[in-house]
Amino acid sequence: GQQLNQSPQSMFIQEGEDVSMNCTSSSIFNTWLWYKQEPGEGPVLLIALYKAGELTSNGRLTAQFGITRKDSFLNISASIPSDVGIYFCAGITQGGSEKLVFGKGTKLTVNP
Amino acid sequence: DTAVSQTPKYLVTQMGNDKSIKCEQNLGHDTMYWYKQDSKKFLKIMFSYNNKELIINETVPNRFSPKSPDKAHLNLHINSLELGDSAVYFCASSQDMAVADTQYFGPGTRLTVL
Repeated sequence: GQQLNQSPQSMFIQEGEDVSMNCTSSSIFNTWLWYKQEPGEGPVLLIALYKAGELTSNGRLTAQFGITRKDSFLNISASIPSDVGIYFCAGITQGGSEKLVFGKGTKLTVNP
Repeated sequence: DTAVSQTPKYLVTQMGNDKSIKCEQNLGHDTMYWYKQDSKKFLKIMFSYNNKELIINETVPNRFSPKSPDKAHLNLHINSLELGDSAVYFCASSQDMAVADTQYFGPGTRLTVL
């Protein structure tokens, strides 16, 4: 089945640094979504991307839908301690039987 | 005014027992889901229901039986619990069954099978 390769698996950064994470796949996706999960909570949608090449921002977060439709990245600028959490990419597969597939997450730790 | 709520938040039980997890959404959504998140944080869909009807059943053992008494509730009953069932189970809902609809997740139920 379709798989998403999300990297890095974890990141340890200093407050104020910029962060970049990405998801790739051998399959084409119609939609890319980025979620954040904080400890003890469910995932919350951050950004949704619907067109190849689309670049969307949400505050300090910026995400792009890759031109090939097989990848997406998420950048966080000027990180702050409350950015801590697990960030998941998710993609909606192309074709008759659409599915939402999640990446394995990037665990972000921000040191004050 | 929690949008998607689950009970209980934690569930510890012995192997072989039967247990249920409840989910309610007050968003007026038509579609609800159950996901399993394993110890490595991998999220995998188990079921989805639209207006009380089963839409997706992703090769989940038949010990897992979802029940939707109305479109605001989707409960998950698990029979004969096994060690490998230990995970965090998330309920989610979306406006309708289009896959691209934004899904809103509950806070999760951490199930530990001893």
